[in-house]
Amino acid sequence: QSVLTQPPSVSGAPGQRVTISCTGSSSNFGAGYDVHWYQHLPGTAPKLLIYGNNNRPSGVPDRFSGSKSGTSASLAVTGLQAEDEADYYCQSYDSRLSGSVFGGGTKLTVL
Amino acid sequence: QVQLKQWGAGKLKPSETLSLTCAVYGRTLSGYYYSWIRQPPGKGLEWIGEINHSGNTNYNPSLKSRVTTSIDMTKNHFSLRLTSVTAADTAVYYCAIRSPVGYSFDYWGQETLVTVSS
Repeated sequence: QSVLTQPPSVSGAPGQRVTISCTGSSSNFGAGYDVHWYQHLPGTAPKLLIYGNNNRPSGVPDRFSGSKSGTSASLAVTGLQAEDEADYYCQSYDSRLSGSVFGGGTKLTVL
Repeated sequence: QVQLKQWGAGKLKPSETLSLTCAVYGRTLSGYYYSWIRQPPGKGLEWIGEINHSGNTNYNPSLKSRVTTSIDMTKNHFSLRLTSVTAADTAVYYCAIRSPVGYSFDYWGQETLVTVSS
């Protein structure tokens, strides 16, 4: 049972927009801690996709965007491409656990 | 360009000690937290613990009694020890660098599969 809750899967056709939700609580998002998102392809290391709620590291396409409000956060992917098919994880800091926490991961399928 | 390269034993028997080391290239160890994260087969990512350049540590409460992290500033290495392993510790393990501001994991090492089996 992950501290942050994500849907197990989402899907969309090429060119469409999809969103992935991440629900936290008063000890992480609600306490003001940022959400970060990672893209994980099998056999590779996770890649930081969004940091500080809505910031993209250099090289990440602007098709990816993030937001956070209250105890919830979301990742949006517009103009879906086949290469976006991967697992996506949200992550934050939790004051109750005094450490980092991850969501259970969401598998994005491009139809 | 920051790179992390990790290594360690990939096959262990129950009750043995898991030991992994991660070398950091492209930056010194000052200023960040050096973390370990794992992914059991078919499951999500789990934060194990971390250490900074001063030796301050934080551990996942569920693993705290078995985990030790260390850092060697002279070699630009940091390490993980997990004692008394069981099959439940079978996972892909990653080392990572966590930003001190915002807590994001900015850089990751390549995966190391650790299998615990008798």
